[in-house]
Amino acid sequence: GAVVSQHPSWVICKSGTSVKIECRSLDFQATTMFWYRQFPKQSLMLMATSNEGSKATYEQGVEKDKFLINHASLTLSTLTVTSAHPEDSSFYICSATGQGNYGYTFGSGTRLTVV
Amino acid sequence: AQKVTQAQTEISVVEKEDVTLDCVYETRDTTYYLFWYKQPPSGELVFLIRRNSFDEQNEISGRYSWNFQKSTSSFNFTITASQVVDSAVYFCALRGYNFNKFYFGSGTKLNVKP
Repeated sequence: GAVVSQHPSWVICKSGTSVKIECRSLDFQATTMFWYRQFPKQSLMLMATSNEGSKATYEQGVEKDKFLINHASLTLSTLTVTSAHPEDSSFYICSATGQGNYGYTFGSGTRLTVV
Repeated sequence: AQKVTQAQTEISVVEKEDVTLDCVYETRDTTYYLFWYKQPPSGELVFLIRRNSFDEQNEISGRYSWNFQKSTSSFNFTITASQVVDSAVYFCALRGYNFNKFYFGSGTKLNVKP
């Protein structure tokens, strides 16, 4: 149980384009989803927390207009990197919590490369 | 403030050696959860263990064991008879009572050489 699926696993995009990453809870209803970013050889840093049906809460220093988060259903949250630039190249990973779920499983991550 | 410190940036051992990864945490919560994750080169986070603050019993799972000591705010992880496949980055993490966000340590890269 408590499986979190993330798609795509990797993506390469051109500078200035937008990229959407999906995070799905497969066997539970995710009331809250978390998005993390990990730069090479660094730790994971929380970007934002999204509650189903509400606007996401962003951590300090994370541009909400650049990293659009949508959590419109109890099983899906999306992170859209808008007008991507090479400095946005990173590993993005999500986790989810819901009723009866401690939320300690993570998606498999998405490696974004902006060229 | 919530904080996790993994002072060991990188450790190299030879296969079959035992190795201990240190983790020290800070929190004001009386109820909290501690975790260890393994991150292989592919990137995914592999869950290894979750411990709540009321359970100080040490745990053993195969070659893995964990030592949780509230008195020193430590949650150390030992791999016995290490193997090459154990090579990865290991993260210790802290989570508060309300299942909110994780606070990750900086990670320890373990290199197990044959």
